[in-house]
Amino acid sequence: DTAVSQTPKYLVTQMGNDKSIKCEQNLGHDTMYWYKQDSKKFLKIMFSYNNKELIINETVPNRFSPKSPDKAHLNLHINSLELGDSAVYFCASTSQGWGTEAFFGQGTRLTVV
Amino acid sequence: GQQLNQSPQSMFIQEGEDVSMNCTSSSIFNTWLWYKQDPGEGPVLLIALYKAGELTSNGRLTAQFGITRKDSFLNISASIPSDVGIYFCAGHHSGGSNYKLTFGKGTLLTVNP
Repeated sequence: DTAVSQTPKYLVTQMGNDKSIKCEQNLGHDTMYWYKQDSKKFLKIMFSYNNKELIINETVPNRFSPKSPDKAHLNLHINSLELGDSAVYFCASTSQGWGTEAFFGQGTRLTVV
Repeated sequence: GQQLNQSPQSMFIQEGEDVSMNCTSSSIFNTWLWYKQDPGEGPVLLIALYKAGELTSNGRLTAQFGITRKDSFLNISASIPSDVGIYFCAGHHSGGSNYKLTFGKGTLLTVNP
């Protein structure tokens, strides 16, 4: 049973397109995150949701819109994709805001061409 | 935002050698976490530290929460080829959001058999 699952694992798309990445966790956690890992492997937090409420929005362009239909799901929709959006996007979840025992998904490698 | 200085950036060692890496911060942290990321996978938690001075082991791994709460180290003893990967320190800094986990830039470990 996968704890945090993301789909798709790979996504190749053209500039200007709109795409979504889905994330689901079956751990019963109440906090979920999106992280972006660039080509230098630096992990940077983008968003944090607690019980479906947005807690953290780290200066991410408006083209990125997270949506949490329930506390087990946190999806990421990206409008008007740009070349610089190419990266690996990780979803993660924790049982509380401390971020301890944070479980990560396998990542979605997004390539914008 | 808060920065974690992780060093070294990369290490090339022979199988059987011991490894040490560390993270420092200019501000106080409440928790220190060490993660490992294998190629094509998400980070996996290795060790979590919650108290200043705490020394915790997990098999061949040992990590310590610095007494000043501004640093942490991770040691790997008797390295084996499967230790290859990127090791990240992470933590929550005092006065920051409990929902924000800040990551170091990672240490890429290569183990030659």
